Amino acid sequence: TQLLEQSPQFLSIQEGENLTVYCNSSSVFSSLQWYRQEPGEGPVLLVTVVTGGEVKKLKRLTFQFGDARKDSSLHITAAQTGDTGLYLCADTGGFKTIFGAGTRLFVKA
Amino acid sequence: NAGVTQTPKFQVLKTGQSMTLQCAQDMNHNSMYWYRQDPGMGLRLIYYSASEGTTDKGEVPNGYNVSRLNKREFSLRLESAAPSQTSVYFCASSESPGLTEAFFGQGTRLTVV
Repeated sequence: TQLLEQSPQFLSIQEGENLTVYCNSSSVFSSLQWYRQEPGEGPVLLVTVVTGGEVKKLKRLTFQFGDARKDSSLHITAAQTGDTGLYLCADTGGFKTIFGAGTRLFVKA
Repeated sequence: NAGVTQTPKFQVLKTGQSMTLQCAQDMNHNSMYWYRQDPGMGLRLIYYSASEGTTDKGEVPNGYNVSRLNKREFSLRLESAAPSQTSVYFCASSESPGLTEAFFGQGTRLTVV
């Protein structure tokens, strides 16, 4: 059974700081998605990456997919309070999408 | 544009009671899913429906049943609730499985006492 490990589990930072969160898989990803979930809401898709070594940018967020397609990172530059939430990675190779437990980010004003 | 709508938002059940969680999507998606989210465990797939008329088990199906009533609606039933089923339940839909974006409802917070 594939396991997705996300680290750190919890991160509390000041507004304006940079941060990186990680997602590691016990086996090669079929394809990888990152979601953000705000309190009391369902997850919302941020990005999908498919190719090893791929880098995608979404405003202040940079997503990297490892060359071996077993790990990924999400870097946020100059964090804002609106970035607060639970960041989830998921392997979406088919119907049975597997999610990691997430990194809970709190950005303080 | 409503997206994915779940009802109810909150529910408290006594052990042994039954209930049905409702989910409807207005995006004409083929695939629908039910997940549960527990602290420290991420989202786990309970059941999914690849298309209207089909359903299949996910990772944690025991104690649940589902019905794909039509293309829009996918319900989740707890026949005899147990405290272990205390969780937040999310319904999701996507145009097709895999690479396409999944859209989630706001969740149902269920407590079984």
